[in-house]
Amino acid sequence: AQKVTQAQTEISVVEKEDVTLDCVYETRDTTYYLFWYKQPPSGELVFLIRRNSFDEQNEISGRYSWNFQKSTSSFNFTITASQVVDSAVYFCATLKGGSNYKLTFGKGTLLTVNP
Amino acid sequence: DTEVTQTPKHLVMGMTNKKSLKCEQHMGHRAMYWYKQKAKKPPELMFVYSYEKLSINESVPSRFSPECPNSSLLNLHLHALQPEDSALYLCASSQVVVTGYRGYTFGSGTRLTVV
Repeated sequence: AQKVTQAQTEISVVEKEDVTLDCVYETRDTTYYLFWYKQPPSGELVFLIRRNSFDEQNEISGRYSWNFQKSTSSFNFTITASQVVDSAVYFCATLKGGSNYKLTFGKGTLLTVNP
Repeated sequence: DTEVTQTPKHLVMGMTNKKSLKCEQHMGHRAMYWYKQKAKKPPELMFVYSYEKLSINESVPSRFSPECPNSSLLNLHLHALQPEDSALYLCASSQVVVTGYRGYTFGSGTRLTVV
């Protein structure tokens, strides 16, 4: 069975600070997918990124960056120069390769960015 | 604009009422999902439809009855709910095999309150 651990329940930062959200996953599968979703107070789960298990290349998208390290089973998410609009719950999730139906979510991290 | 549309956005119902939640997508996805999300918790999978057939029922009580009338629509019929069923109900869709980059697309959800 797959498992995702987001050890940080809540994080509070001041605007313009950098912040890293941790995600550690457990799986015995050789093929799997990792996701990050953002959930603002409106409720919608907003897709941020997907990573395949065979692609360890890190990614940067504007102020967002992701560090995927298979050696430590981690898929951490960094927001650079945080903004108030980044305030949301962030979920890390994993999906077993070849099994298309059941996302396994972490418990989420509530990020609050204060002005 | 979200590509998965859920209606209504908010619903308050009594324990003896019958109501339905609706979900619609026009992305050609043939897998559709219902998730339940309690406050400060991750989404929990309830049902999966694949090619309009119920594929997964995560031991959901019979007071929740899903229906997939066609490839674009997904309904969740509610009857004799309990106050503890109050939650955010999220609909999602995907390709049957999750090959697309985004994997899943979620709707904004219906906030259900049972009184």
